Amino acid sequence: KQEVTQIPAALSVPEGENLVLNCSFTDSAIYNLQWFRQDPGKGLTSLLLIQSSQREQTSGRLNASLDKSSGRSTLYIAASQPGDSATYLCAVTGYSSASKIIFGSGTRLSIRP
Amino acid sequence: KAGVTQTPRYLIKTRGQQVTLSCSPISGHRSVSWYQQTPGQGLQFLFEYFSETQRNKGNFPGRFSGRQFSNSRSEMNVSTLELGDSALYLCASSPTGVKDTQYFGPGTRLTVL
Repeated sequence: KQEVTQIPAALSVPEGENLVLNCSFTDSAIYNLQWFRQDPGKGLTSLLLIQSSQREQTSGRLNASLDKSSGRSTLYIAASQPGDSATYLCAVTGYSSASKIIFGSGTRLSIRP
Repeated sequence: KAGVTQTPRYLIKTRGQQVTLSCSPISGHRSVSWYQQTPGQGLQFLFEYFSETQRNKGNFPGRFSGRQFSNSRSEMNVSTLELGDSALYLCASSPTGVKDTQYFGPGTRLTVL
């Protein structure tokens, strides 16, 4: 059974710092991995999607990497800004046509001005 | 292009009642997935509909059901509400399914008293 873990549960850093969020999964047979952002009381916004054959994806100040063999993904945020404050969730999907999407519990990120 | 919309945004019900939530996907998207988000359990997959057929189902009791119409709009129904059903219910749409980038709606906040 696939399990997705995100550590730490919360992180606070000063503005301008580069930071890394971690995501680990127990079953390496994934189809893809997605990173999402969620603002309080709101829905999720997709940030990056990495296919199982890819090692990384980049969008602006965000870079996500994937290491299937070790069951890990990282989300790197460069030059953090207060507007980056949100909860970040990762989610994995398997190969089966009946595959479900499994979410981690998220990392709550706070950027201090 | 209009985003995913969910109605109502907030709902208060009492135990034993039933509730119906609605989700309108992005135009052209044929897949609609539903999720329950609670502080204790995090974000959990309920089910996915594609072209009016339920394709995947999470580990929820039969009180949770859904359907999808020919225009891809979807409804979720919860019967015999319990206190533990209080949650943020999110729906997401995508062109072909959960392996695609998911586009989330703002959610319906359900409170069961």
